This record gives sequence, C-alpha cells and structure tokens, in this order.
Amino acid sequence: GAVVSQHPSWVICKSGTSVKIECRSLDFQATTMFWYRQFPKQSLMLMATSNEGSKATYEQGVEKDKFLINHASLTLSTLTVTSAHPEDSSFYICSASGQAGELFFGEGSRLTVL
Amino acid sequence: ILNVEQSPQSLHVQEGDSTNFTCSFPSSNFYALHWYRWETAKSPEALFVMTLNGDEKKKGRISATLNTKEGYSYLYIKGSQPEDSATYLCAFDKAAGNKLTFGGGTRVLVKP
Repeated sequence: GAVVSQHPSWVICKSGTSVKIECRSLDFQATTMFWYRQFPKQSLMLMATSNEGSKATYEQGVEKDKFLINHASLTLSTLTVTSAHPEDSSFYICSASGQAGELFFGEGSRLTVL
Repeated sequence: ILNVEQSPQSLHVQEGDSTNFTCSFPSSNFYALHWYRWETAKSPEALFVMTLNGDEKKKGRISATLNTKEGYSYLYIKGSQPEDSATYLCAFDKAAGNKLTFGGGTRVLVKP
C-alpha cells in the first residue's frame, strides 16, 4: 500500500530555535497534504492544508507565521515550527491524499521544546 | 467547532470476545465518516470510509455501520485477538477534500 514517511520521529530542541518536520509520500504523488497536531489527552486537530505549489490554508487559531508549511513538490511537504516554545511541544502528524482521494498518514513526530 | 465523540475512551476485552464502540458526529453537512486503526509507533491505518446512511462495511473480523440521520457509527470487532489491540479513531468529513475532524479515539486492549 501507499506509504507516507515522516521525519524525524522525535525531536528535542531549545526554546527559541526552529524545527523542521518532513512528510514524504514514497510511492505516490500527493497534491494535497495535511498537518495535524495532538496534545496529550486530546484529539488530532487539523492545523493546515498544504497544496503543492501554492500557499497552505491554515485552520482558525493556527499562526501561519509560526508554523511555516512548504509543499514544493508532489512528494514532500515540510512543517517548520519557528521560534519554538514549550507550549509548542506536541505530537505532529501529516497525511497525504492519494489520486483516488484516499488518505495515508505518516508515523508522526513528537516535539519537545525545553 | 464540530463535535466528534467516541465512547468509551478505552476498553479491555478478553481474547475471543466480541466488542463494539461508538462514534457520534454532527448529523448535518455530512460527507463521509472515516475509521482508522492506530497502533503505537505506527501510522494510522485506514479501515473504512463510509458515505451512505445505512452503510455496513466489513474487513475481516472488523465491521462498521453508519447512521447519518442520527449521527453515529458503530465499529465491531468479532472474536477479538491480541493483535486487535490499538486505538480506533473515527473522523468526520463534512465536504469532499479530506479535511477531517477526529474523535478522541477508543483504546482497545485485548487480553490473552
């Protein structure tokens, strides 16, 4: 089946630094990718929709200047958490739409900001 | 804010027993209801995408039903096995485009 790879699986960084998370569709082209985050004891929450070659669409309450999304190719979307702070510590996960509209998820990335 | 609720949050099942759990979602502006199976440290795995009221889908020992008029879906596991232990997520899709609203999940632990 289709595979979406997310990297890194976990990352620890200092407050004020930026962290980049990659999401790759390994065996299919994904015109649309989605970024979610999950805080402890909460549901996966959609952050933004990433469309190849255009600007991402952010959900209400998600700061676009803080969470930079780039979808420069049909197989790669990146999420950069800029000037990360402890409250940004969370589980971030991406998904990608296949040609038939089916959705495939990455393994997720756990971010801890010290 | 869309309200998607899953119940119970967790359950323990004896190996061989059958079980079921619920996902409730808004009954208006319905497009699709997704079910995923999510094992620890792995990617969520798609189980079903349900679109029609009254729909029933089956995959091995797992099946699901859908009632869009009253806004609920049941997931059933027949003859639970330890490998069925996972978190089962439902996700509501109000329009084509895969922008999903997830429930909190039901964590299933099957005891040998």
